[in-house]
Amino acid sequence: TQLLEQSPQFLSIQEGENLTVYCNSSSVFSSLQWYRQEPGEGPVLLVTVVTGGEVKKLKRLTFQFGDARKDSSLHITAAQPGDTGLYLCAGLFFELGGKLIFGQGTELSVKP
Amino acid sequence: GAGVSQTPSNKVTEKGKYVELRCDPISGHTALYWYRQSLGQGPEFLIYFQGTGAADDSGLPNDRFFAVRPEGSVSTLKIQRTERGDSAVYLCASSPNQNTEAFFGQGTRLTVV
Repeated sequence: TQLLEQSPQFLSIQEGENLTVYCNSSSVFSSLQWYRQEPGEGPVLLVTVVTGGEVKKLKRLTFQFGDARKDSSLHITAAQPGDTGLYLCAGLFFELGGKLIFGQGTELSVKP
Repeated sequence: GAGVSQTPSNKVTEKGKYVELRCDPISGHTALYWYRQSLGQGPEFLIYFQGTGAADDSGLPNDRFFAVRPEGSVSTLKIQRTERGDSAVYLCASSPNQNTEAFFGQGTRLTVV
């Protein structure tokens, strides 16, 4: 059983569409991070959320942290082909100390 | 360099051989992580160090896997008697301390034939 569930696993959309990726756990996160990874590269940090209910924006990307700190979402507005990649959420859990646990990832493909 | 450096970038080895994978973290970062990633999947936690000591090695799959960080900087992941199932990308990350964001290297692609 995964400590951290990410969905959907695959997403193929047309340029200009909106999309949302979800990250959920039954445990409370001390903090949660979103990464983007391109083929042949390591994950690159997009944002860290720490406070329940927090919303952060990064251009067309909006990140939300649930009030109870057990879930998060990434929303992309007007997706572009350059957004194509593997999106990963990763959580730090109080009971696990400094161990950073990743979700399964969402493979996003944006077609022109 | 400014980022996390991993060497080699690619390693092909025969089944049963021993391999070492090296990670040079960002200078001054006390926390160092090793992950294993299969194609299209999220990184799977292996081990993390806080300074020289392994703070959590619960992700190491079996006793063929071992990692060291003797001086609290460079780390080496060692795999004995490699098996085809060990083939994956091995990622290293470092962070200024635990509970802060991690910076990743480009990974070492290990192929066991």
